[in-house]
Amino acid sequence: DAGITQSPRHKVTETGTPVTLRCHQTENHRYMYWYRQDPGHGLRLIHYSYGVKDTDKGEVSDGYSVSRSKTEDFLLTLESATSSQTSVYFCAISGTGGLAGPQETQYFGPGTRLLVL
Amino acid sequence: AQSVTQLGSHVSVSEGALVLLRCNYSSSVPPYLFWYVQYPNQGLQLLLKYTSAATLVKGINGFEAEFKKSETSFHLTKPSAHMSDAAEYFCAVSGGATGGSRLTFGEGTQLTVNP
Repeated sequence: DAGITQSPRHKVTETGTPVTLRCHQTENHRYMYWYRQDPGHGLRLIHYSYGVKDTDKGEVSDGYSVSRSKTEDFLLTLESATSSQTSVYFCAISGTGGLAGPQETQYFGPGTRLLVL
Repeated sequence: AQSVTQLGSHVSVSEGALVLLRCNYSSSVPPYLFWYVQYPNQGLQLLLKYTSAATLVKGINGFEAEFKKSETSFHLTKPSAHMSDAAEYFCAVSGGATGGSRLTFGEGTQLTVNP
């Protein structure tokens, strides 16, 4: 899996509580992404990062924030979890050796299953 | 803006039969196109990608896809299905003015292979 880990792998939480998911890479890739996967929707981009402290919104960013203080870590935070945020969350990386471009392959982590009750 | 449509959320084939998974795209710029496979409870794995070189792209596990600009299609095929091909398949298009490869995915096609 190209040296990508996600933690936790499974989480159950209650509505209104804050939740932070972590993505860690050992590949020194420049770009990191957070997606959510829901039946009938495929994967949708939440936020992405193009460098340390450089982030931008994706397609479904409402209710989520991100931070990247180190090249290897990208955190996704749900400030106040809602049931609509029950999903499987995937982290991905791209940008071998700092190269950038839309032709770059993204490599995916194993995912985190989040259930918000 | 870009989008991907995968025709057929479920496809069922017999072992040894042809696999055809359909993908049509919409993109305002020349597209880069990807097929990913997801096995149960795993992340996504790249099968193949089109990056404007050859229009017929060969990938892993015997899969290939042909880019047809006139039809805005990038269908995935495999001549002979194997039981191990049972998985969910995603087509994706890449774009983004700020670099990187922001992917827009189709809804996915679940492939079942019957013995």
